[in-house]
Amino acid sequence: GQNIDQPTEMTATEGAIVQINCTYQTSGFNGLFWYQQHAGEAPTFLSYNVLDGLEEKGRFSSFLSRSKGYSYLLLKELQMKDSASYLCAVIDSNYQLIWGAGTKLIIKP
Amino acid sequence: IAGITQAPTSQILAAGRRMTLRCTQDMRHNAMYWYRQDLGLGLRLIHYSNTAGTTGKGEVPDGYSVSRANTDDFPLTLASAVPSQTSVYFCASSDSIGGSGANVLTFGAGSRLTVL
Repeated sequence: GQNIDQPTEMTATEGAIVQINCTYQTSGFNGLFWYQQHAGEAPTFLSYNVLDGLEEKGRFSSFLSRSKGYSYLLLKELQMKDSASYLCAVIDSNYQLIWGAGTKLIIKP
Repeated sequence: IAGITQAPTSQILAAGRRMTLRCTQDMRHNAMYWYRQDLGLGLRLIHYSNTAGTTGKGEVPDGYSVSRANTDDFPLTLASAVPSQTSVYFCASSDSIGGSGANVLTFGAGSRLTVL
């Protein structure tokens, strides 16, 4: 079966750095997305990785290792508004999008 | 403001009733999707449409139907609601077939449905 694993919940301090991991076992791989979802709102796009390596976008970076079936989202200089759920999603060999259950990130002052 | 509009925002209905969730987009995206989101689970695809006039089944299609008469509208119908269909429903669109590749999904604000 296809599976995407993320920690259920993480806590971090305002101003700090946090890394949210995502491991996947899917039938093939054609790319990986990270989405942010604030409570009661719709998911919004953060990043996309299809090649190994780090993609940086402001305070947020996303890393991919296809050989390890592993990605992480790195959030720097955490702000209270970063409190949200972070969803990892993988495109499989049939170009279907497989979603993880999401990681709820709690930011404390 | 360009995007996706869903209605209703929330609804409580009795089991056995028929319900249609509406979804309209103004971005002229070809592909549209309906997902349900339940606590502890990833988003699950119910139905999708690659282009106007075509629809397909997703991961959890049973008990749901869709239609795509034009590019903008993609309603989801529960013919006879059951309590297990209590969920938050998200409509989404993208500008390529399958919502895959580098094309990003744009989501509506969601419809919270409670079936009693």
